[in-house]
Amino acid sequence: DVKVTQSSRYLVKRTGEKVFLECVQDMDHENMFWYRQDPGLGLRLIYFSYDVKMKEKGDIPEGYSVSREKKERFSLILESASTNQTSMYLCASEGARSYEQYFGPGTRLTVT
Amino acid sequence: AQSVTQPDIHITVSEGASLELRCNYSYGATPYLFWYVQSPGQGLQLLLKYFSGDTLVQGIKGFEAEFKRSQSSFNLRKPSVHWSDAAEYFCAVGAGTTDSWGKLQFGAGTQVVVTP
Repeated sequence: DVKVTQSSRYLVKRTGEKVFLECVQDMDHENMFWYRQDPGLGLRLIYFSYDVKMKEKGDIPEGYSVSREKKERFSLILESASTNQTSMYLCASEGARSYEQYFGPGTRLTVT
Repeated sequence: AQSVTQPDIHITVSEGASLELRCNYSYGATPYLFWYVQSPGQGLQLLLKYFSGDTLVQGIKGFEAEFKRSQSSFNLRKPSVHWSDAAEYFCAVGAGTTDSWGKLQFGAGTQVVVTP
């Protein structure tokens, strides 16, 4: 079974802090994704990566950056957290052109 | 740009009754279509997907979906729901082209409540 793990289930940070969300997959997948999930808006793509050190912006990249130094790990970085970044963050991975994304359990981030 | 609409935000259904969740999409060509389920406190799990071919697609947990090109719809159905089907369901569309592979557009979701 594919396993996608996220470093924290719940996280509380203060405004202005730098926040790292980590995601690790164990299936040697090429593609990895970061989404945020908000009620009534579904999932919105923040960034995705199709290879080590490669990244592309999704629909809502502002205020976020990402890092992919190893194939199995994809990090989401909030350089200076703000209250409007309070949300559920979901990571996913996918084999190249398989069109089947596997999701982690999510990190619920609260910024106060 | 592609878009996905799930007209029903919330549906309540009795255990044992049938369930149908609606999904409409907007896309110029034949899209790749997906249904995901999110149980409370968990990530999303793929129920089924449609790429081409037979327009009636079978998935896991007894779900099926039908692609209707003329209506731009991909509705999800289950003949008899179980209490464990209470969850949020998301429809998603992908372009399937080489410059947009893997990128999915999700609907806002439909919350399903199952009553005894």
